Amino acid sequence: EVVLTQSPGTLSLSPGERATLSCRASQSVSASYLAWYQQKPGRAPRLLIHGASSRATGIPDRFSGSGSGTDFTLTISRLEPEDFAVYYCQQFGSSLLTFGEGTKVEIK
Amino acid sequence: QVQLQESGPGLVKPSQTLSLTCTVSGGSINSGGYFWTWIRQHPGKGLEWIGYIFYSGSTSYNPSLKSRVSISVDTSKSQFSLKLTSVTAADTAVYYCARVRGYCSADTCYYFDSWGQGTLVTVSS
Repeated sequence: EVVLTQSPGTLSLSPGERATLSCRASQSVSASYLAWYQQKPGRAPRLLIHGASSRATGIPDRFSGSGSGTDFTLTISRLEPEDFAVYYCQQFGSSLLTFGEGTKVEIK
Repeated sequence: QVQLQESGPGLVKPSQTLSLTCTVSGGSINSGGYFWTWIRQHPGKGLEWIGYIFYSGSTSYNPSLKSRVSISVDTSKSQFSLKLTSVTAADTAVYYCARVRGYCSADTCYYFDSWGQGTLVTVSS
């Protein structure tokens, strides 16, 4: 079973700053099967990125994803007030789905 | 656009079976290429995948829950269901149903593209 480790656990930044979130897999993951989600309190997660780098429909271009193998990154180029939330990576492999434990992006 | 809605008891007693149903509308549960899944989130914690079912009935479960979980599908009602046996307080969580895109297009697949709003289930006597 692939374990996804996200870092940092919490990122304290100001609006307008750049956010870089990491997702590291315990073994190589197909980039085609790596996705990122945003979750706000009391809400279901929202798909941001699939296939490691493809933005979902309606997602602003300040969100971008990259990576391959065991290291993947979600970048928010300039934080907007509505971007402060928790972000999860997710992968599929060997018929199993797994999530990382999340990174909270909070207002500094 | 497909919509998913969870339903079921919000309170379950310890040692009993938690049962939830997800109703799918705006899209066919019979359409191949999608996995119908359950995920849970303990209060203040991260997301935990529970399992999924294909419309044909084939399933896959989280190894950590496999001995207690069963997911079934009723295509005639456009519903799929979760049963979790022998619950304890540790099973208290928000339970989500969701759809996973299982067919690849432009070299990307196996991501959650639609979610229900979630339902809180509390295990307590």
